[in-house]
Amino acid sequence: DAGVIQSPRHEVTEMGQEVTLRCKPISGHDYLFWYRQTMMRGLELLIYFNNNVPIDDSGMPEDRFSAKMPNASFSTLKIQPSEPRDSAVYFCASSLDAYNEQFFGPGTRLTVL
Amino acid sequence: SQKIEQNSEALNIQEGKTATLTCNYTNYSPAYLQWYRQDPGRGPVFLLLIRENEKEKRKERLKVTFDTTLKQSLFHITASQPADSATYLCALAVYNQGGKLIFGQGTELSVKP
Repeated sequence: DAGVIQSPRHEVTEMGQEVTLRCKPISGHDYLFWYRQTMMRGLELLIYFNNNVPIDDSGMPEDRFSAKMPNASFSTLKIQPSEPRDSAVYFCASSLDAYNEQFFGPGTRLTVL
Repeated sequence: SQKIEQNSEALNIQEGKTATLTCNYTNYSPAYLQWYRQDPGRGPVFLLLIRENEKEKRKERLKVTFDTTLKQSLFHITASQPADSATYLCALAVYNQGGKLIFGQGTELSVKP
């Protein structure tokens, strides 16, 4: 398996623009997680899905952030409109079940100017 | 309030020595605890998982202990090598919160030859 795939790897955009980050989890994994990592706040969970259903979105910073998982092999995280404080590395991770290791993707480095 | 704390300062040790990293938590009742390794520009990689009813877990040169009374986990790398240099993250999973992990800020380890 290729592991968790994220795209793009780098994104530079201007404030106010819409940003869409994409993730393909490992086949057969029922859980998908979106994290954000910054120097100040570390690795924070934004939202996670079980069998394509959002379970906990309490980490989503505000209404500008939304996430979807239309099927078992694809998820998106959208920021609209983007702001400079959204600049961070966004990771997607997947796991087989709730109580096992999580497999992380390579991350998307987002810079909002 | 709930907190997870890891050594904030970088840990510098000599090759061949044992590295010991600490993860302390407050106001959590973790079901289990995981340790991950993160290299610059990459996503975290799972190393070990230890459950609340386990005192110790080993994998090759790695050893994790879990003391729910002290609310602490220790992560040991024996016979350390320069290739072990990375940031190490501990993560808690809390009962009844599915696969949700709460990460510490990480400790940067540098092993000098």
